[in-house]
Amino acid sequence: EVQVLESGGGLVQPGGSLRLSCAASGFTFSTNAMSWVRQAPGKGLEWVSVISGSGGRTDYADSVKGRFSISRDNSKNMVYLQMSSLRTEDTAIYYCAKDRGISGTWQYFFDPWGQGTLVTVSS
Amino acid sequence: EIVLTQSPGTLSLSPGERAIFSCRASQSVTSSYLAWYQQKPGQAPRLLIYGASSRATGIPDRFSGSGSGTDFTLTISRLEPEDFAVYYCQQYGNSPRTFGQGTKVEIK
Repeated sequence: EVQVLESGGGLVQPGGSLRLSCAASGFTFSTNAMSWVRQAPGKGLEWVSVISGSGGRTDYADSVKGRFSISRDNSKNMVYLQMSSLRTEDTAIYYCAKDRGISGTWQYFFDPWGQGTLVTVSS
Repeated sequence: EIVLTQSPGTLSLSPGERAIFSCRASQSVTSSYLAWYQQKPGQAPRLLIYGASSRATGIPDRFSGSGSGTDFTLTISRLEPEDFAVYYCQQYGNSPRTFGQGTKVEIK
């Protein structure tokens, strides 16, 4: 069974940093892109970042570009999201998701999703 | 960036009724790369439909998707009690990938 499981959320002050982790299992991890998607409390979904299977290509939403960094460790089947210069508007549940679609492009939908980890940015 | 507008915002229906969700894109969605997700309270989204009309594994055939270009539709032929949730469309043909704002189906 394909599974992804996030961890690392918590309360952080504005301007602070946090690293989220995502553990994946049940599929050939190194050949699959992985994404982070977030959902502010009571709001809709926003794609945040994606990393290719090899880790050589990444992309970010404009709202987090320059502040967030995505990486992966294919030896451990792990994806990470390093978040810095956090703002109150970054408060959200952060979901890790396996990308599915045309390999070599960013034309992916998300399946499956993890259960999410809550990040709260507040003083 | 492609903006997806879902309508209506809320659907009030009874079990057994048909539900029709609309998703309209601000420009044509490449190759009908449009997905639909279901999200229940406190849960992660779940993939229902991809490629505008292909059902994901394990999704009942009462769920169907259609459309192309800028207009897409998700239909639930007969609502079951477990179908009351929020539904999101998402386009993945253009970067950045974007979501609609969601349609909530509530029990009438």
